Amino acid sequence: GQQLNQSPQSMFIQEGEDVSMNCTSSSIFNTWLWYKQEPGEGPVLLIALYKAGELTSNGRLTAQFGITRKDSFLNISASIPSDVGIYFCAGQAEGGADGLTFGKGTHLIIQP
Amino acid sequence: EAQVTQNPRYLITVTGKKLTVTCSQNMNHEYMSWYRQDPGLGLRQIYYSMNVEVTDKGDVPEGYKVSRKEKRNFPLILESPSPNQTSLYFCASSFAGRSTDTQYFGPGTRLTVL
Repeated sequence: GQQLNQSPQSMFIQEGEDVSMNCTSSSIFNTWLWYKQEPGEGPVLLIALYKAGELTSNGRLTAQFGITRKDSFLNISASIPSDVGIYFCAGQAEGGADGLTFGKGTHLIIQP
Repeated sequence: EAQVTQNPRYLITVTGKKLTVTCSQNMNHEYMSWYRQDPGLGLRQIYYSMNVEVTDKGDVPEGYKVSRKEKRNFPLILESPSPNQTSLYFCASSFAGRSTDTQYFGPGTRLTVL
């Protein structure tokens, strides 16, 4: 199946710092999604991107659909303690069936 | 309350003993899906269903079966579980028949196969 490379694997930051993470693919994707998972729960959708170049915000979160359609970025501004969790990118590849491929996740840890 | 429910939440079993993990959603969603989550591997799709009586393989379908006889239920069946199927399993659903619509995830089922 498709593979997504998500980086970094983990981030240790101070409260108030900005955060950036990204996902890349070897093939073209039609849709990019960003999820957050907190301990003991299932992932929750944060942002969905449907067009190359699209830039979408959700509060302090901003995500972009790369122009090449092979990458996507998620930024979190002015991090707060409740941002802690694992962030996953996910996408649907062009020409593929209607399955969804997930990245391996970025574990965000915030030090007060 | 709109939700996706899974049962059981925790299960310890032995190799070869058939088991079923149930998934039910009360949102009249067309699309349902099963994922497994393993450390360092993220979520991998096992099977999905775009509507009743329509199921398709995801990235890791080997060793699993599913059925979609009615819209609200999408059970995951392990006919002969093996230790490499020890994992955290999530069921998810979305309104339209596309994986890229907002998927609502269940709380997860932690399965251990001895």
